[in-house]
Amino acid sequence: DVKVTQSSRYLVKRTGEKVFLECVQDMDHENMFWYRQDPGLGLRLIYFSYDVKMKEKGDIPEGYSVSREKKERFSLILESASTNQTSMYLCASTMDRTSQPQHFGDGTRLSIL
Amino acid sequence: GQQVMQIPQYQHVQEGEDFTTYCNSSTTLSNIQWYKQRPGGHPVFLIQLVKSGEVKKQKRLTFQFGEAKKNSSLHITATQTTDVGTYFCAGHSGSARQLTFGSGTQLTVLP
Repeated sequence: DVKVTQSSRYLVKRTGEKVFLECVQDMDHENMFWYRQDPGLGLRLIYFSYDVKMKEKGDIPEGYSVSREKKERFSLILESASTNQTSMYLCASTMDRTSQPQHFGDGTRLSIL
Repeated sequence: GQQVMQIPQYQHVQEGEDFTTYCNSSTTLSNIQWYKQRPGGHPVFLIQLVKSGEVKKQKRLTFQFGEAKKNSSLHITATQTTDVGTYFCAGHSGSARQLTFGSGTQLTVLP
């Protein structure tokens, strides 16, 4: 079974801090994704990566960056956290073909004070 | 860009009643996927539809993909309390690697 692990389930940070969210998958998947989930807005794609060191912007990349130095690990970085980035962050991975289902981690509930 | 609208946003039903959620895309989809997220959990893949007019069933759940491949629905017959959660549709457009998710329908089943 595919395992997608996010480093923290809950995280509290202060405005202006640099925040790192980590995601690791154990199935050698090519594609990895970062979403944020807010009530009434569904899942919105922040960034995704289809290979090591490759990244593409999603629908809401502003205020975020990502890093993929190894195939199994995809990091989301909030360069200078702001209160409007308080949200649930979900990482997902999938095999190369677009028809494959996405496998999600348990999510990180991030609060920016 | 591609948009996927999903209605209703919330639905409360009495146990045993039927439930339907609808999904509409602004562009033609190459496929559509459905996910279920239990309260406190993460989205879990349910099914994928690829062909125009396709209908698939999983026990009490029936999934349809429209003829124009721009809309889809999920129908649950005789809901049970285990059906509680948020149901999301998500579509791929063309050869895009990323999914566009609908806003989800949160289902509450009253015993």
